[in-house]
Amino acid sequence: AQSVTQLDSHVSVSEGTPVLLRCNYSSSYSPSLFWYVQHPNKGLQLLLKYTSAATLVKGINGFEAEFKKSETSFHLTKPSAHMSDAAEYFCVVRLDSNYQLIWGAGTKLIIKP
Amino acid sequence: DAGVTQSPTHLIKTRGQQVTLRCSPKSGHDTVSWYQQALGQGPQFIFQYYEEEERQRGNFPDRFSGHQFPNYSSELNVNALLLGDSALYLCASSQRLASYEQYFGPGTRLTVT
Repeated sequence: AQSVTQLDSHVSVSEGTPVLLRCNYSSSYSPSLFWYVQHPNKGLQLLLKYTSAATLVKGINGFEAEFKKSETSFHLTKPSAHMSDAAEYFCVVRLDSNYQLIWGAGTKLIIKP
Repeated sequence: DAGVTQSPTHLIKTRGQQVTLRCSPKSGHDTVSWYQQALGQGPQFIFQYYEEEERQRGNFPDRFSGHQFPNYSSELNVNALLLGDSALYLCASSQRLASYEQYFGPGTRLTVT
């Protein structure tokens, strides 16, 4: 069965330093993977998606993620954190059988001034 | 262009009551999915509607039912409310059933007392 694990429930970084949010997936074949962001009192927004094309995926707001099949990982990175990046981030895998989205538990990103 | 809208924003119900939540998809979208997000967790897929029919269903009891109207808007109904039904209910729309990208509404916060 396909699943996704976000390795950190909370990540705290200083403004201007790099961000790394970790995600591992399990899948019997090449999955479709996504990162979504949820700001307080706002709807979920798609950051980026991997759909069997380039393994390095660029998203909005300077975020990018690299699909590594050998490590079954899809970590989200950003070179320099901004205060506006403080939010909850979700790693998601899509089932190819029925297109359902399976969500990780989320990682809360905290930005220190 | 209005995005996905949901109503009401907040709702308080008593255990055993019934509730109806509403969703209007983004303009041009014909598929609506509903998710339940408990506090501190990722969204859980409830069901998906396309062409006024339930196409996919997650692991939720029959107390959860839905409907899609000819204008693509949708309702989520929950009968015999339990305390555990307290959550943020999210509606997402997409342009077609197999679309990679879903657009989310801000959600309805349901509290069951």
